[in-house]
Amino acid sequence: DTAVSQTPKYLVTQMGNDKSIKCEQNLGHDTMYWYKQDSKKFLKIMFSYNNKELIINETVPNRFSPKSPDKAHLNLHINSLELGDSAVYFCASSPLAVSYNEQFFGPGTRLTVL
Amino acid sequence: GENVEQHPSTLSVQEGDSAVIKCTYSDSASNYFPWYKQELGKGPQLIIDIRSNVGEKKDQRIAVTLNKTAKHFSLHITETQPEDSAVYFCAASREGRRALTFGSGTRLQVQP
Repeated sequence: DTAVSQTPKYLVTQMGNDKSIKCEQNLGHDTMYWYKQDSKKFLKIMFSYNNKELIINETVPNRFSPKSPDKAHLNLHINSLELGDSAVYFCASSPLAVSYNEQFFGPGTRLTVL
Repeated sequence: GENVEQHPSTLSVQEGDSAVIKCTYSDSASNYFPWYKQELGKGPQLIIDIRSNVGEKKDQRIAVTLNKTAKHFSLHITETQPEDSAVYFCAASREGRRALTFGSGTRLQVQP
């Protein structure tokens, strides 16, 4: 019944490792996003995909690589993790047909890099 | 690009009082202004939004006002309840840019 789901909810890893976060939406939306929320709660867009095509890439280091196998899924792969990558990562989705960005957020993945 | 400023960063009110959170934006092309509520350990949840062709919108105890000339918008919560305690975010976006620019958040504490 969950609209936007993410796995895992918590991810603890060592510096230098590679990890992935998965996101799935069952709302039939065409556009999906990744946002990063830092320790001060500030939310910032990282990527946006529309029908599996990258449309926004907000100066994110190329260690971050989003992948969209289909329009219901948007995964985030992070190479060579750094301490500064520790944050909560939120996936979101919105319908293409709506010109205003009514976005629905997932529950978040808390990434801790040690 | 768009810049959204939000005030105050923290707000404490007594149960039953009203709460007001204010935001300003920089991009005059922005035309959509949602408000999100984030409870501890959860993702942001849309509570109300307003589009640039409307000056005010109300949904039960929650209302949002928009002043396009001054480029600011506000969230008003009346008859606050302890369950209103959360972090509230304003955001802005414009046609063609499918991403939200968020304010820095307001932690609202409603004291019973």
